[in-house]
This record gives sequence, C-alpha cells and structure tokens, in this order.
Amino acid sequence: GENVEQHPSTLSVQEGDSAVIKCTYSDSASNYFPWYKQELGKRPQLIIDIRSNVGEKKDQRIAVTLNKTAKHFSLHITETQPEDSAVYFCAASMRTTDSWGKLQFGAGTQVVVTP
Amino acid sequence: GAVVSQHPSWVICKSGTSVKIECRSLDFQATTMFWYRQFPKQSLMLMATSNEGSKATYEQGVEKDKFLINHASLTLSTLTVTSAHPEDSSFYICSFRAFINSPLHFGNGTRLTVT
Repeated sequence: GENVEQHPSTLSVQEGDSAVIKCTYSDSASNYFPWYKQELGKRPQLIIDIRSNVGEKKDQRIAVTLNKTAKHFSLHITETQPEDSAVYFCAASMRTTDSWGKLQFGAGTQVVVTP
Repeated sequence: GAVVSQHPSWVICKSGTSVKIECRSLDFQATTMFWYRQFPKQSLMLMATSNEGSKATYEQGVEKDKFLINHASLTLSTLTVTSAHPEDSSFYICSFRAFINSPLHFGNGTRLTVT
C-alpha cells in the first residue's frame, strides 16, 4: 500500500517568512495529492490539492509542487501570518473510476509562526 | 463547499458501554464515506471505508465487531464503538466524497473519552 512520509515534524518561522513542508510517497500509481490544515481540536480543512498531470498549483500565498519522477511533493506558504499556525498534513491517493480513492496521510507538520 | 455534520462533538462514557457517532452530509449525496481516528498529536488513521448499502471494508488491525459502521443511506453514516475501553479514547472523524473525483470533506469530529 501507499506510504507517505512528511518532513519536518515541526517548523517555526518568523512572520513574513516562507514555510516549506515536504512529502514523499511510495506508490507510483498515486495521482492525487491534497494538503490539509488542522487547528487544535478542529477538523482538517482542505487548503490546496494537485493532480499528477500538473507540476505546480498556486492559490494566493499557498503553492504546491509535484515531482512525479522523484515521488515527492511540497507545500509552500509565503508571507506567513500568525493565523497560519496549525498542523499541516499531506496526503496521497490513487483515484480511478473504480477506486474509492482512500487517502494516506503523512505524519503532520506543526507550523508555528512567531510575530 | 460540501457540509458534513457530525454528532456528538464530544462524549464521555464508562468502560464497557457503547457509543454511537452520527455523520450526515447536508447538501450532497455521499456514495462513499471514510471513518478516521486520530490520537493526540498524531496523524489521521483510516479505520474503514464503506459504500452506501454495502458492508464496510476495514483497514488492517481495526476490529469490525468492535467498530460497527452503518451506511444505510446516501446522507447518513454511523459508527458505533461497542464495549468501549480507555484505549478507544480518541478523536473520530467521518469524511465523505460526493463523487469519485471530488475532494474529501470532513465532519467536525467527535472527541471520545472512555473512563
């Protein structure tokens, strides 16, 4: 099955700086890679996702890059703000017409943005 | 975006009792649903997957007789933790996918504490 590794486990950045979280996956058949943000005690919320036919996707201060050959993808947050402080999870799944598309999550990265 | 309502948000029960958690999709019909469990400061671990009207498929290591899942309609799924023990204390989160290529949407989660 799919195995997703995520680094770093914790990340402390100064407000205004950039934050980068990296994930690797093991199953070359995986073709969908979402990122979730989870605040303490709350549900994970989808912040951005990318499919394997795209190398990069951007949404305001958030961007995700995908390298299919190396089987890794990264989340980039620019101009970080205190409200970006949360746990971020990467995930991977294989999505086909007859697949349930189960998500395999990384271990999570605790991001702390200090003013 | 898709709305998923999960109840209760928290529950405290005595060891040996059973607890039912409900998850409803409010604005779409969910053919596939997933139940996740999250221990403190850990990642989301998939417990089981089910399609409406079918038996759930459980992940390795998850006891199907202990965690009863019912997905009787396109808008309601329930998870019953039977004969709960303190080690079952966790954050349980349901998630639905509206259709095969749509993102996964999570309920608000249920914090279960077994005393």
